[in-house]
Amino acid sequence: EAGVAQSPRYKIIEKRQSVAFWCNPISGHATLYWYQQILGQGPKLLIQFQNNGVVDDSQLPKDRFSAERLKGVDSTLKIQPAKLEDSAVYLCASSIHSRGETQYFGPGTRLLVL
Amino acid sequence: KQEVTQIPAALSVPEGENLVLNCSFTDSAIYNLQWFRQDPGKGLTSLLLIQSSQREQTSGRLNASLDKSSGRSTLYIAASQPGDSATYLCAAGANNLFFGTGTRLTVIP
Repeated sequence: EAGVAQSPRYKIIEKRQSVAFWCNPISGHATLYWYQQILGQGPKLLIQFQNNGVVDDSQLPKDRFSAERLKGVDSTLKIQPAKLEDSAVYLCASSIHSRGETQYFGPGTRLLVL
Repeated sequence: KQEVTQIPAALSVPEGENLVLNCSFTDSAIYNLQWFRQDPGKGLTSLLLIQSSQREQTSGRLNASLDKSSGRSTLYIAASQPGDSATYLCAAGANNLFFGTGTRLTVIP
């Protein structure tokens, strides 16, 4: 069974530029999550999708971050414009449903904003 | 808001030693408690998931316990090996997961 795929693996941009990350979850998983992990910290949930609907985006900085999952499968997370403090690893995870189930994580995209 | 704390932040042990990692959480209204492993530059790998109605889960040399009333979980690793070296994260699960900052484990050959 293929795992969660993410691309790119690394990205370096300058502040005020825009960037987009892509995630393809495990086939058949209805729920998709985007997390931000700052160096030395645990992952923090940015947004959770159930199929193509948003379940929780309470911690997403909506003035600069956006995410979509148009067909209920793969997803993109965008930052525009990026700030220095956005430097982090962006992790995508998926689960069959949502509550109480194991989440499977992708390898992450490491973003450096200069 | 759920707060998850892990102690110690880092731990070094000689190979073969048994060890315990600690996790505490502030809100006992959880669905589950999950333990993950993270290797440098990699994503997270799920190790054990304990449902809120359970007291413990075991997988090989790993045993995780959960005490909801006291807001604590422990991960016990038996007969540690150098390959166990990684960062271990616990996460309290409700509508979403709240992660601790992890314990960085080094097993010395």
